[in-house]
Amino acid sequence: TQLLEQSPQFLSIQEGENLTVYCNSSSVFSSLQWYRQEPGEGPVLLVTVVTGGEVKKLKRLTFQFGDARKDSSLHITAAQPGDTGLYLCAGATTSGTYKYIFGTGTRLKVLA
Amino acid sequence: DTAVSQTPKYLVTQMGNDKSIKCEQNLGHDTMYWYKQDSKKFLKIMFSYNNKELIINETVPNRFSPKSPDKAHLNLHINSLELGDSAVYFCASRIQGVLNHTFGSGTRLTVV
Repeated sequence: TQLLEQSPQFLSIQEGENLTVYCNSSSVFSSLQWYRQEPGEGPVLLVTVVTGGEVKKLKRLTFQFGDARKDSSLHITAAQPGDTGLYLCAGATTSGTYKYIFGTGTRLKVLA
Repeated sequence: DTAVSQTPKYLVTQMGNDKSIKCEQNLGHDTMYWYKQDSKKFLKIMFSYNNKELIINETVPNRFSPKSPDKAHLNLHINSLELGDSAVYFCASRIQGVLNHTFGSGTRLTVV
């Protein structure tokens, strides 16, 4: 069974601090996505990474796909209260029917 | 508005009842999904349909029966509801060949 473990599970930081969220697996994924989910809403796609070692930036967010396509990280610079939410990584399987396996989630709270 | 729409948003029902959740997307996508998010925010795929054809069935009890009357709709019927069915159910869609999912805002099902 493919699993994606995220760490930390919970994170509470002050506005202006930097943070990194990790998404790890022993399985290889053909691509990996990061989503942010706010209370009462569905996950919203932030980024898709496809190539091992790929780095993508979205304003203050930097996403990296591991060289072996088994892990990923999300780094937020100078966090703001608007970054508060549940962050989910999701890996696309490389065998069988194409589907996404979601990570265990990281709940981020940024305090003003 | 172009979106994935789910109804109802909230559903409270007694054990043993049968209920349905409806999902519609007007994005022109050809693949639709049902996901279940538990109390720990873990998001797990249940079913996937492509052009009205079932392509993923993730070991879900047969009390759950998805129905796709056309590629814009994917409904979920649940028989003999149990306490453990309480969760938030998300519908999602995408175009085959494109990685991005678009999620609905969820249906919070509470079985009492």
